[in-house]
Amino acid sequence: EAGVTQFPSHSVIEKGQTVTLRCDPISGHDNLYWYRRVMGKEIKFLLHFVKESKQDESGMPNNRFLAERTGGTYSTLKVQPAELEDSGVYFCASSQVYGTANTEAFFGQGTRLTVV
Amino acid sequence: DAKTTQPPSMDCAEGRAANLPCNHSTISGNEYVYWYRQIHSQGPQYIIHGLKNNETNEMASLIITEDRKSSTLILPHATLRDTAVYYCIVAYYNFNKFYFGSGTKLNVKP
Repeated sequence: EAGVTQFPSHSVIEKGQTVTLRCDPISGHDNLYWYRRVMGKEIKFLLHFVKESKQDESGMPNNRFLAERTGGTYSTLKVQPAELEDSGVYFCASSQVYGTANTEAFFGQGTRLTVV
Repeated sequence: DAKTTQPPSMDCAEGRAANLPCNHSTISGNEYVYWYRQIHSQGPQYIIHGLKNNETNEMASLIITEDRKSSTLILPHATLRDTAVYYCIVAYYNFNKFYFGSGTKLNVKP
């Protein structure tokens, strides 16, 4: 069974450009999460989808970040325009729902974003 | 903010058991204890989780105190490949919004 897959693995863009990160969760997982670690900081929660709906987007840093999950399958995270402080590693995770509980979350390998 | 307290680093000899402590004194009744690790710059890897009973799987054992205010992750026979940052996380059972904190850097030495 394939794990959580993220594309690209690395991205280097110039300040002011747009970048779109993609996450393919484990098949059948309704929950999808985005996290990120910026330089020297802890891994921080960004947002949580349940199927195609945003359940919690309290961690999104500002309106330059837009996450979508059309159809409830893969998700994209767009940064527009990118700033230097957006550099870091962006992780995606997914989990399944069983009744009122969730299974453990499985993480992808991350996308390393460098804004120059 | 992280709801757990972990030592910043620990050393362990290869082949010996690694015991990683975690304090979570403000844990609520519906919160589980999860352990993840991050090897180098890879994505966090799930290890184990539990509510109040001790748990064991092929990777590790989780011992939770009776009052649930602390727990210990046990790697029974540490190998060099277990060198990583280990995160103890408490989270409600119905969602996985994790606060990772700084974790414990485990150094397994030959």
